[in-house]
Amino acid sequence: SQKIEQNSEALNIQEGKTATLTCNYTNYSPAYLQWYRQDPGRGPVFLLLIRENEKEKRKERLKVTFDTTLKQSLFHITASQPADSATYLCALDTGRRALTFGSGTRLQVQP
Amino acid sequence: NAGVTQTPKFRILKIGQSMTLQCAQDMNHNYMYWYRQDPGMGLKLIYYSVGAGITDKGEVPNGYNVSRSTTEDFPLRLELAAPSQTSVYFCASSYLDVSRNEQYFGPGTRLTVT
Repeated sequence: SQKIEQNSEALNIQEGKTATLTCNYTNYSPAYLQWYRQDPGRGPVFLLLIRENEKEKRKERLKVTFDTTLKQSLFHITASQPADSATYLCALDTGRRALTFGSGTRLQVQP
Repeated sequence: NAGVTQTPKFRILKIGQSMTLQCAQDMNHNYMYWYRQDPGMGLKLIYYSVGAGITDKGEVPNGYNVSRSTTEDFPLRLELAAPSQTSVYFCASSYLDVSRNEQYFGPGTRLTVT
């Protein structure tokens, strides 16, 4: 069956370090992959979209990679800040005009 | 622009009751979506619409109904509420096909069925 896996355990890092979150998928061949941020009690907010023919995408302190051979996307936040603490969701285009979301990874940045 | 708005923010229903969750967007987006999110889980797609008068089922449509009579509004109807429908419900919209365009989410409706 189709599956999207994100590390369910929270990621705790020190302020100023680089946070790296992983999104693995099986039985998909998505043309697009998106990352969203979700704060407690709020709706998700779009961060980045990457296409299958793009290996890497950057936006300010954020970087996303997309390896279609490994079926994996990595999401990096450089120079992390306590304000980056949130849950980060990856979402895939599964060819039905809608996205399928992973369960998210909670990031906690300690001051 | 208000973006995507949802009402109510919170609701408690008794088993067997019905209700409609309201969703509206003022961005003239063609695509609209309803998701549910259970604690510690990702978003599961209930229904979506690619334009007024067109709706389609998502991953978990049972127990729900939708309609799309205008571009702006996409209400979600719960008939005969069950405890399994206790969840947070998010409405979202996108200008075109969401696979290549970002989705805008509303603030959510927290529903408890007891």
